[in-house]
Amino acid sequence: AQKITQTQPGMFVQEKEAVTLDCTYDTSDQSYGLFWYKQPSSGEMIFLIYQGSYDEQNATEGRYSLNFQKARKSANLVISASQLGDSAMYFCAMSSVQGAQKLVFGQGTRLTINP
Amino acid sequence: GAGVSQTPSNKVTEKGKYVELRCDPISGHTALYWYRQSLGQGPEFLIYFQGTGAADDSGLPNDRFFAVRPEGSVSTLKIQRTERGDSAVYLCASSRLLVRTGADTQYFGPGTRLTVL
Repeated sequence: AQKITQTQPGMFVQEKEAVTLDCTYDTSDQSYGLFWYKQPSSGEMIFLIYQGSYDEQNATEGRYSLNFQKARKSANLVISASQLGDSAMYFCAMSSVQGAQKLVFGQGTRLTINP
Repeated sequence: GAGVSQTPSNKVTEKGKYVELRCDPISGHTALYWYRQSLGQGPEFLIYFQGTGAADDSGLPNDRFFAVRPEGSVSTLKIQRTERGDSAVYLCASSRLLVRTGADTQYFGPGTRLTVL
């Protein structure tokens, strides 16, 4: 079984600062994918970034980067130069790469950006 | 192009009633997923379709829940004899399910908020 743990229920950051959201995972799969989604108060889940378990380089997408440490089973999201619009719930998730690629989500971290 | 759409956006029903929730995936996406998100929680998997068939329904909580995707595109989640505990946001997602070494990204719809009184 797969499990995602997000230990930070809430984070408060000043605008323009960088922020790291923690995510650890557990799986017996050799191949898997790791995802981060953003969920604003409107409720829609917005895909941010993906990291494959065999990708040698950390994924980056604009201001988002994923700090992937396979041996530690961690996949932290780093947001650089935070903006007020980054305030939202952030979910870490994982899936297998074979068969039904159902996502397993963590409990989420509520990020608040202060002006 | 258009994203995943879900209707209705909100549904209020009475305990014991039957409800249908609709999902229209991104055009060309063969994989479709239903998730349920309770307040303050992450989404939980319900069922997965590859084409028209339910390839994995292990997340359905009981036999009151059923989903179909008859033509491999639009899907309907059906809940019979609704209970107050069914109140949640029901999210639909779709992906292209490419044959490759990595996992496919799922794109979510806005969800249907179901309230059972």
